[in-house]
Amino acid sequence: DTGVSQNPRHKITKRGQNVTFRCDPISEHNRLYWYRQTLGQGPEFLTYFQNEAQLEKSRLLSDRFSAERPKGSFSTLEIQRTEQGDSAMYLCASSLGTGFVSPLHFGNGTRLTVT
Amino acid sequence: AQTVTQSQPEMSVQEAETVTLSCTYDTSESDYYLFWYKQPPSRQMILVIRQEAYKQQNATENRFSVNFQKAAKSFSLKISDSQLGDAAMYFCAYQVGYGNKLVFGAGTILRVKS
Repeated sequence: DTGVSQNPRHKITKRGQNVTFRCDPISEHNRLYWYRQTLGQGPEFLTYFQNEAQLEKSRLLSDRFSAERPKGSFSTLEIQRTEQGDSAMYLCASSLGTGFVSPLHFGNGTRLTVT
Repeated sequence: AQTVTQSQPEMSVQEAETVTLSCTYDTSESDYYLFWYKQPPSRQMILVIRQEAYKQQNATENRFSVNFQKAAKSFSLKISDSQLGDAAMYFCAYQVGYGNKLVFGAGTILRVKS
């Protein structure tokens, strides 16, 4: 169990640029979640995959945000035309879903700063 | 909409003492799951303890235990024999169903004094 891996750890970008983050879940986990966490707040749900299917998207996920999970393995989260309000920690989590509640395993996150 | 409220932004406890962190939630569901997660500074979030709503017995994990009051929609975390390594942000979270999202509270910062 190597844990959930997220890259990069930090990303600084200028407003208007596009950024892409990657998440590698625990290898046997079929569920993958993206959350956003701003300073001093709890994580907010963005989207969720079961295998390669994106099953739920939050209304927080504007049309500038897109997430993919090709082949049900790693996932990417892309933000287009970044805005200063996008500055946050982006957390990825995975779990093994087999019909019972399996705990989420979180990665260390990608901290995005939009200048 | 489901909401989770943690009314204590910050708590302090003396090493070896006991502290209780509060959490209330709002839901119309009858079957759901509750969690406490710990997020140390600059480190990843880890699960501390979980509780199934259909279980009347309060969950316990070593020094961590919960007081689950379903009718009051309250889910507090008790940490006994506090240790320096317990210092972290603690989040209460709620989940409906097996694969659905977690809804988190705003968190409580726990400081442990030596």
